Amino acid sequence: SQQGEEDPQALSIQEGENATMNCSYKTSINNLQWYRQNSGRGLVHLILIRSNEREKHSGRLRVTLDTSKKSSSLLITASRAADTASYFCATVFNQAGTALIFGKGTTLSVSS
Amino acid sequence: DAGVIQSPRHEVTEMGQEVTLRCKPISGHNSLFWYRQTMMRGLELLIYFNNNVPIDDSGMPEDRFSAKMPNASFSTLKIQPSEPRDSAVYFCASSFRSGGNTEAFFGQGTRLTVV
Repeated sequence: SQQGEEDPQALSIQEGENATMNCSYKTSINNLQWYRQNSGRGLVHLILIRSNEREKHSGRLRVTLDTSKKSSSLLITASRAADTASYFCATVFNQAGTALIFGKGTTLSVSS
Repeated sequence: DAGVIQSPRHEVTEMGQEVTLRCKPISGHNSLFWYRQTMMRGLELLIYFNNNVPIDDSGMPEDRFSAKMPNASFSTLKIQPSEPRDSAVYFCASSFRSGGNTEAFFGQGTRLTVV
């Protein structure tokens, strides 16, 4: 079963606007990762945030993590048409021998 | 490095036939994952290997599914016999460290259609 749940399921914005996607999870985690998937392609890693971190930046991406609320958000600033894709959060349980568990994703559509 | 390589990219087979999906992880990576993606169920973890040893196969749907990793550079996922509900995109991914402690690199996937 999915550990993370993204919200919203779908998001449509105009180029230049910011896009915010949220992820909620259920149990204690070691880290949380965000991935992107273009239609018909494999997933590509965007950013990893560890449980002792609260915020991380990478280019136009900003990720926050609130372990007390068991939630994370991904912000894409100044979006471009090329950002159109599905975005997934993936969590790693805080126990040995566990692997990435993915949510169902947010489909982002950026129109020019 | 060419990344994670999966073959075939597309597979169409008849119900009841055996299907074998193949994966070559990135050299030097010691964790390998098989995922299945469908519209209804999203991305499901099927099995996870660390240093060629299966660590967690609780996601394998039933006995018709089996996975092997005979060496660090090759893994297979076999479905025998295949059924229409197995139709999905199957992804292989690898990572440098165990489990999910570092980023995972995904292959392009194998789109399986069972008719």
